[in-house]
Amino acid sequence: DIQMTQSPSSLSASIGDRVTITCRTSQSISNYLNWYQHKPGKAPKLLISAAYSLESGDPSRFSGSGSGTDFTLTISSLQPEDFATYYCQQSFSSPWTFGQGTKVEIK
Amino acid sequence: QVQLQESGPGLVKPSETLSLTCTVSGASISSYYWSWLRQPPGKALEWIGYIYYSERTNYNPSLKSRVTISIDTSKNQFSLELSSVTAADTAVYYCARSKTMVRGVQKFDPWGQGTLVTVSS
Repeated sequence: DIQMTQSPSSLSASIGDRVTITCRTSQSISNYLNWYQHKPGKAPKLLISAAYSLESGDPSRFSGSGSGTDFTLTISSLQPEDFATYYCQQSFSSPWTFGQGTKVEIK
Repeated sequence: QVQLQESGPGLVKPSETLSLTCTVSGASISSYYWSWLRQPPGKALEWIGYIYYSERTNYNPSLKSRVTISIDTSKNQFSLELSSVTAADTAVYYCARSKTMVRGVQKFDPWGQGTLVTVSS
């Protein structure tokens, strides 16, 4: 199985801050990486697919980058509705695997 | 829009079988891939397996010996059975759709809200 390592596991940030979350995979996966946003009590939501393709309707302050084994999710200017847990997931091979998550909290 | 909703017992005894159902609304279940995933407390999300509407299945090898996923197209539902459960199977269980399982294009979208299942006597 492909191992996924996300960092940090949590972070505190203020409104307007630039936030960066990283995801590292145990083997090269090209750009086959998805990002999800999960708010408590809600269904997890696909945010970015194929490393950098933002889902339709999602704000452009979210961006993804990376290829190979190192990937990044960036929130350019944190908004109140962005406080959530973010997960990466590899779509390179089954079984599909996820990172441990990064909880973004209010400072 | 497509919505998924998990349902089933919130408490299961050790050694028994966990059974959950996912009801799909807003789309026919007679296409695409339908998955179960779970997240134990403090641990990463884990993909359990999927079923295609033709009843073709694929399971995570880590759970394959205990998992059965089935589909009922007449009710637009699919189900999960996990046998011989232990406390390690305590988790929030999610159902989700994938339009394809092709490498690089696979993704889970949308998801259900999840349901907590606790394994305890």
